[in-house]
Amino acid sequence: GQSLEQPSEVTAVEGAIVQINCTYQTSGFYGLSWYQQHDGGAPTFLSYNALDGLEETGRFSSFLSRSDSYGYLLLQELQMKDSASYFCAVKRNSGGYQKVTFGTGTKLQVIP
Amino acid sequence: EAGVVQSPRYKIIEKKQPVAFWCNPISGHNTLYWYLQNLGQGPELLIRYENEEAVDDSQLPKDRFSAERLKGVDSTLKIQPAELGDSAVYLCASSLNSGFNEQFFGPGTRLTVL
Repeated sequence: GQSLEQPSEVTAVEGAIVQINCTYQTSGFYGLSWYQQHDGGAPTFLSYNALDGLEETGRFSSFLSRSDSYGYLLLQELQMKDSASYFCAVKRNSGGYQKVTFGTGTKLQVIP
Repeated sequence: EAGVVQSPRYKIIEKKQPVAFWCNPISGHNTLYWYLQNLGQGPELLIRYENEEAVDDSQLPKDRFSAERLKGVDSTLKIQPAELGDSAVYLCASSLNSGFNEQFFGPGTRLTVL
């Protein structure tokens, strides 16, 4: 079978750094995506990792270790507006098609 | 460039009634997705279209749910009859093609079944 695990909630202080972990178990793995969703809003794409290593985009970075079936999203210089839910999503081969499966999300609360 | 458009934004119906959701993807995007999202959960794929062909509908409850994407552009998702457990947010997303990693989501339709 397949599974995705990420913490349900994380709290961090404004200006600090926070890491949101995601572990997965799946066959036919292609890559790992991260999406941000504010309450009542639409998910928005943050990053995609297909290869091992760290990808940096401004204050956000995403890491992947294929051998460990593990990835994380790193948010630096936290701002209040970063309070949102963050979803990791696995892209995999399923029956010859590429399929994306989302995790249950991590609710990040940034406090002053 | 306009984003993914969905309507209505909110819908309240009584159980056993039919309901339909409409989605207009980003122009030029060949792949269209319908997701269901329950409160506190991640989006769950219902159906994926490549142009007008439904290439993955394995998660669509076909006894009550149906979808179409005529002419490979707009799409409609229908539930008939609706059940209490169908209350959720229905999200539409599109991407350039299935190999493209970024999906663009619409604002969703929040369905409440009474």
